Amino acid sequence: RKEVEQDPGPFNVPEGATVAFNCTYSNSASQSFFWYRQDCRKEPKLLMSVYSSGNEDGRFTAQLNRASQYISLLIRDSKLSDSATYLCVVSLNTGGFKTIFGAGTRLFVKA
Amino acid sequence: GAVVSQHPSRVICKSGTSVKIECRSLDFQATTMFWYRQFPKQSLMLMATSNEGSKATYEQGVEKDKFLINHASLTLSTLTVTSAHPEDSSFYICSAQGGDPSTDTQYFGPGTRLTVL
Repeated sequence: RKEVEQDPGPFNVPEGATVAFNCTYSNSASQSFFWYRQDCRKEPKLLMSVYSSGNEDGRFTAQLNRASQYISLLIRDSKLSDSATYLCVVSLNTGGFKTIFGAGTRLFVKA
Repeated sequence: GAVVSQHPSRVICKSGTSVKIECRSLDFQATTMFWYRQFPKQSLMLMATSNEGSKATYEQGVEKDKFLINHASLTLSTLTVTSAHPEDSSFYICSAQGGDPSTDTQYFGPGTRLTVL
């Protein structure tokens, strides 16, 4: 089982749609959680950190469920510019800090 | 947000040559820098973690003698791909992190696309 698992997609949605991405992690000692977005042939960029209380940034909402070891990202009112790969990222301390990237979920938003 | 630069952005070289890639944190001190490699349509794969002034920690399967990492200052880390071969062609990305790595996010450089002929 992969340490961080994501649905690879692709998700093809029309503009204005709401889309949700899920991510599960296997190590219960995981401490920090993030969503990054990566555009084609570019570096990943931090989208948002994820907290147990849930957090929202404009059209983006992230949730963390530690009991289920599950992270989600909700995008409302999708824009064409949201088309990218969304990476679920988990950090943990296993005698040394380690950051693990999920394989990413590809999103295509179409007009 | 924090800015990380990488140089060069693109390099094409002949098989057998060595290539050095620089990663700089421009507006913060990076206690830890990471080097990743990404093949087309695949996820980022961590190659090594480097802390300023100490030897890098390499991930399993990554040859430390082939991928030389130097983290000489809190703002600069270099990755040298020695005797590059076509299978080393990839997108190499560095990231930098400051302070407590359990809570600090990683800021990525723009990446270096290496093509070995």
